[in-house]
This record gives sequence, structure tokens and C-alpha cells, in this order.
Amino acid sequence: EPEVTQTPSHQVTQMGQEVILRCVPISNHLYFYWYRQILGQKVEFLVSFYNNEISEKSEIFDDQFSVERPDGSNFTLKIRSTKLEDSAMYFCASSSWGEQFFGPGTRLTVL
Amino acid sequence: DQQVKQNSPSLSVQEGRISILNCDYTNSMFDYFLWYKKYPAEGPTFLISISSIKDKNEDGRFTVFLNKSAKHLSLHIVPSQPGDSAVYFCAAQVTGGGNKLTFGTGTQLKVEL
Repeated sequence: EPEVTQTPSHQVTQMGQEVILRCVPISNHLYFYWYRQILGQKVEFLVSFYNNEISEKSEIFDDQFSVERPDGSNFTLKIRSTKLEDSAMYFCASSSWGEQFFGPGTRLTVL
Repeated sequence: DQQVKQNSPSLSVQEGRISILNCDYTNSMFDYFLWYKKYPAEGPTFLISISSIKDKNEDGRFTVFLNKSAKHLSLHIVPSQPGDSAVYFCAAQVTGGGNKLTFGTGTQLKVEL
């Protein structure tokens, strides 16, 4: 059964450093998403991506964040200068339409 | 932003009985609703969905009911099994545009032997 994969599973970084979180969506899906979940809080939408451009973003997704689909399979989330409050689980998701399928997540810890 | 609410943080049910998880929403523009199950250290797993043009959708042991006038949906699991123990999230979407999912805070279901 096809699934969304994410690497790394855990990333530890120093405040102010750049991080890139990687995702391989399900191959025939056209819509791609990033969500995050801060410990103890609900899953929050960050950004959606379709046809090589952002289709919607939340207020969380400020200038420090960017997304890219550098080739036909990967979908990345870059945080340029990490802050302590960026520590969270980051989930990638993809969909053809309707239900979104989520990856296992990357736990980002900012020290 | 409390557009989707799950007012019960936890629910305990005996194996074989029915589990009923509830969800309320405030945004009348939502037209597609989904339930996800989540285990610790894993991503949400899609369970079942319902469009706003329906009031019920069934898939095996899982049934979702939608009451648009009350802005309420519920997930019924019958019979409940120990493997159903997880956090259940309700999510809602305005279709078209960016397809953003708005999640509730989740309900921890524990199915006891």
C-alpha cells in the first residue's frame, strides 16, 4: 500500500540554524501539505501546495518558512532560522482529492 | 481558533461495546469532514469521511453521522476492540482552494478488556 514517507524522523538543531524537512508524497497525488503539532496541542495547518505553487498558507507560515518540490518525488519544508517555538512534530500529507494521507512525522527539537 | 471542537478529551469503553466520539464545528462553510486515528509517534491515519450532502457514511465497524443543523458530527465504532485505543481527531475542510484541514483537539479512546 502506498504511503507518505518523511526524513529524518528526528532532527535536533540549534536556535537560528536552518533545517530542511523532507517528504516523499504518494506518487499519483497532486496536492501536498505540511502540518505541525506542538506537544499537547492540536494538529495545525501550515501550507498547501499544488501545481508547483502555494495554494494556501496559515499565519504560522511566515517568511522563515518555504516549501519546494525540487524534483518529481520530493516535497520539502525549509525553516530558515529556527526558533525555540518551532519545536514540534511536522507532518507531511498528500492527496488526490478528498482525504489527505499523512506521513509518520519529523520531530524537530530546537535547542 | 476553535472552529472544530472535541469536548471530551478522553473516553473509556469496554471491548465489544459501542464507542461514540463527538465533534462540533462553528464554521458553516465546512463541507467535508474526516476522522483520523493517531497512535503516539505516528502520523494521523485516515479512517472515514463524510460530505455535507450526506448525513451518514458507513465503513465496516465505523460509521460517521453528520447533523448540519446542529453543526455536529459523531463517529461510532462498533464493536470496539482493544486495537482501537488511540487518539481520534475530527477534521473539517472547505473544499476547493487550498484544502486546508482544521483539526479538533482529539479524544483519547481507551478500549478495555
